[in-house]
Amino acid sequence: DAGVTQSPTHLIKTRGQQVTLRCSPISGHKSVSWYQQVLGQGPQFIFQYYEKEERGRGNFPDRFSARQFPNYSSELNVNALLLGDSALYLCASSALGESRTDTQYFGPGTRLTVL
Amino acid sequence: AQRVTQPEKLLSVFKGAPVELKCNYSYSGSPELFWYVQYSRQRLQLLLRHISRESIKGFTADLNKGETSFHLKKPFAQEEDSAMYYCALTGGYNKLIFGAGTRLAVHP
Repeated sequence: DAGVTQSPTHLIKTRGQQVTLRCSPISGHKSVSWYQQVLGQGPQFIFQYYEKEERGRGNFPDRFSARQFPNYSSELNVNALLLGDSALYLCASSALGESRTDTQYFGPGTRLTVL
Repeated sequence: AQRVTQPEKLLSVFKGAPVELKCNYSYSGSPELFWYVQYSRQRLQLLLRHISRESIKGFTADLNKGETSFHLKKPFAQEEDSAMYYCALTGGYNKLIFGAGTRLAVHP
């Protein structure tokens, strides 16, 4: 198993554009979480999906949306990009979606640059 | 408010020296605390969680509810310990709240 995979690796967009980031969880994992990591800061929680339903949302504007597919892969969409959206976007998967017992496994991230 | 504070951006020590990476938290309720590590060119990965009360790669961390701290310690640092370390707490389900991270540099 290759672990959590994310695509693309890098992405350059201009302000106002829209972007879609993709994540494939570890086989058998039903929960996917998304995090934004701005340079010099720790990851910040954006969304969690479990069994295709949104379970948690962080303090991000409505320009951020996500979904989970029947095969448990996930997409993160960001509309009307701003310069401040430039960051590393991390995806994490876990078996049951409960941090107290699960371990979250992180992907390598997608580096988004907004010009 | 739920918050994790790591006061040091960089901790520089020599091989064989003791290491303590500081972490303080703010959380109403019973928190679950974690340490994550990111080695150079590798993914973010779980190092240890307080509920397990185990030692991983010689590192230990004790939850001190009175001081709201979860410091990471190792008695003798090794060069391979050089990495970025993040303290985190769970804010429900899989929501992890991370600190800003501390870079540990272990010199020969």
